[in-house]
Amino acid sequence: DAGVTQSPTHLIKTRGQQVTLRCSPKSGHDTVSWYQQALGQGPQFIFQYYEEEERQRGNFPDRFSGHQFPNYSSELNVNALLLGDSALYLCASSLQRQLNQPQHFGDGTRLSIL
Amino acid sequence: QKEVEQDPGPLSVPEGAIVSLNCTYSNSAFQYFMWYRQYSRKGPELLMYTYSSGNKEDGRFTAQVDKSSKYISLFIRDSQPSDSATYLCAMSEVRNTDKLIFGTGTRLQVFP
Repeated sequence: DAGVTQSPTHLIKTRGQQVTLRCSPKSGHDTVSWYQQALGQGPQFIFQYYEEEERQRGNFPDRFSGHQFPNYSSELNVNALLLGDSALYLCASSLQRQLNQPQHFGDGTRLSIL
Repeated sequence: QKEVEQDPGPLSVPEGAIVSLNCTYSNSAFQYFMWYRQYSRKGPELLMYTYSSGNKEDGRFTAQVDKSSKYISLFIRDSQPSDSATYLCAMSEVRNTDKLIFGTGTRLQVFP
């Protein structure tokens, strides 16, 4: 049973560029959430996708956008990259109707901005 | 003030010790409480999950929630070097699939 998978594992970009990160949820899950984890901090919620729509959003600017595909996989896009966007980006998946099963995380994509 | 406060540590204990990790929170709407373990260069791994107040035990791990005090704890008995990791508390409001609010994480080192 495959868990949450994310690609790529590492990425180096320069300021002003754009980046796309990818996530495949755990088998059977239909909801994907994205989190940003800065060094030495806990993860911060970016947004959540369910039924191909953004359902909830955290306190992140519009430079952060996403998409969910019919197979429940998801992409996180970040435009006009800033040095402060350097972080570990985590994807978590869950099943909406299953109230007692919390979110499962992938190992993340480590994004470095030069 | 952050919604969730967690002592960042580091906490260093000898093998076999009992470890107590804690978080306090300010949002009384939190109902779902989780503890995740995160090894270096890995994603958070779910350890314990509780709904509302009470205790939950799983092997060497015990999670406690005191909603009246807005305080949650994770106890690790007979700690092992393999327990060395960062421990993150997380909470959510209406349902467990909602956005999680995390503490900053406590770094634990268990030495032989």
